[in-house]
Amino acid sequence: DTEVTQTPKHLVMGMTNKKSLKCEQHMGHRAMYWYKQKAKKPPELMFVYSYEKLSINESVPSRFSPECPNSSLLNLHLHALQPEDSALYLCASSQEPLNDNQPQHFGDGTRLSIL
Amino acid sequence: GNSVTQMEGPVTLSEEAFLTINCTYTATGYPSLFWYVQYPGEGLQLLLKATKADDKGSNKGFEATYRKETTSFHLEKGSVQVSDSAVYFCALTEYSSASKIIFGSGTRLSIRP
Repeated sequence: DTEVTQTPKHLVMGMTNKKSLKCEQHMGHRAMYWYKQKAKKPPELMFVYSYEKLSINESVPSRFSPECPNSSLLNLHLHALQPEDSALYLCASSQEPLNDNQPQHFGDGTRLSIL
Repeated sequence: GNSVTQMEGPVTLSEEAFLTINCTYTATGYPSLFWYVQYPGEGLQLLLKATKADDKGSNKGFEATYRKETTSFHLEKGSVQVSDSAVYFCALTEYSSASKIIFGSGTRLSIRP
């Protein structure tokens, strides 16, 4: 069982829909991350939140909008996505944002399909 | 810049065979090194880590030693099981950019019964 919980596990949406991905952790971690993973590829970093503030945006298109309502929750709001956005979206957390010795803990992801 | 190179897959072995997955890295400073594993339909899990030269990380029968002189962090297991079938990612982080994991391309491992 993973300590980072992501919902939903699967999501199918049209290009005009608005949906949100949710991520929750109760380990007291102060850094949270969104990644996009295409088939047979490593995860690609999208966003980093440090102490509930956005610290890194890896030039992600504005149709992806992250939100961190509190230290345990991370959302990714989706609007007007394209078929190439179909992928596995992974959330992760780590204890401290600038401690390179600490591993990241990953959720099982949301598999997103854009019709 | 920092980078991680790991052996191309897929790797197919028989149960109880010896496993080595090669990983080398390029880094400007003193990185921490990790192996993550991704089982089918799941997210990534930390398998083991090493934070300084000559450290050996180990978990579930897997081992890897941080070799600064050869800039390597090869993953080994003496006797693999069918349940070890997964994708394995070598990765590094460095203090100057600690929020960013640099992943290798991943190696898919399949174990035949």
